[in-house]
Amino acid sequence: EADIYQTPRYLVIGTGKKITLECSQTMGHDKMYWYQQDPGMELHLIHYSYGVNSTEKGDLSSESTVSRIRTEHFPLTLESARPSHTSQYLCASSDLLGQGRAETQYFGPGTRLLVL
Amino acid sequence: GDSVTQMEGPVTLSEEAFLTINCTYTATGYPSLFWYVQYPGEGLQLLLKATKADDKGSNKGFEATYRKETTSFHLEKGSVQVSDSAVYFCALIHYGQNFVFGPGTRLSVLP
Repeated sequence: EADIYQTPRYLVIGTGKKITLECSQTMGHDKMYWYQQDPGMELHLIHYSYGVNSTEKGDLSSESTVSRIRTEHFPLTLESARPSHTSQYLCASSDLLGQGRAETQYFGPGTRLLVL
Repeated sequence: GDSVTQMEGPVTLSEEAFLTINCTYTATGYPSLFWYVQYPGEGLQLLLKATKADDKGSNKGFEATYRKETTSFHLEKGSVQVSDSAVYFCALIHYGQNFVFGPGTRLSVLP
């Protein structure tokens, strides 16, 4: 059973507001990820981190930012929310294993964001 | 770059029917292959995985075999239940790189 948590689970907010989506894991995993999942189900990687003080942009350009000050915590921030940010956001983590060992990704339950 | 292709959904089956969801991939070398499942309102859960050619992953009655010669990793279950209704994602990863997910296949099982 993976121990990765996201809060809030649901968020309805007005345009222009600043929001932070929280993600925490208790597995001591080095690598963490944020995905955006559109209504068509497809996953888009927007940010990832190899560890503390590491942040990288993913395949899909996003106006959000992330930080990694502690191993277990990887929050995502939108400075000014817009209706185009409405989506489901999934956080995930995995171990950085040695070569030859299969990395497995564990997901949180997701945050469903609606920007009015 | 690497890519994963899945059969288009939605797939609708009656309870106790046989399930196959096709997955093929394009990648260099020998990636690890995965099936994830997403139940309504939840995140993705690992269903099964295989790390080398001819490996068979299995879990909860689901199976998939890593076929290098056909670059495939088809998901099968002999008898589906209503509780199997979900979205299924095929994925691959090379060491040191990020996961590559397929577009997902929605399965609906009718009683």
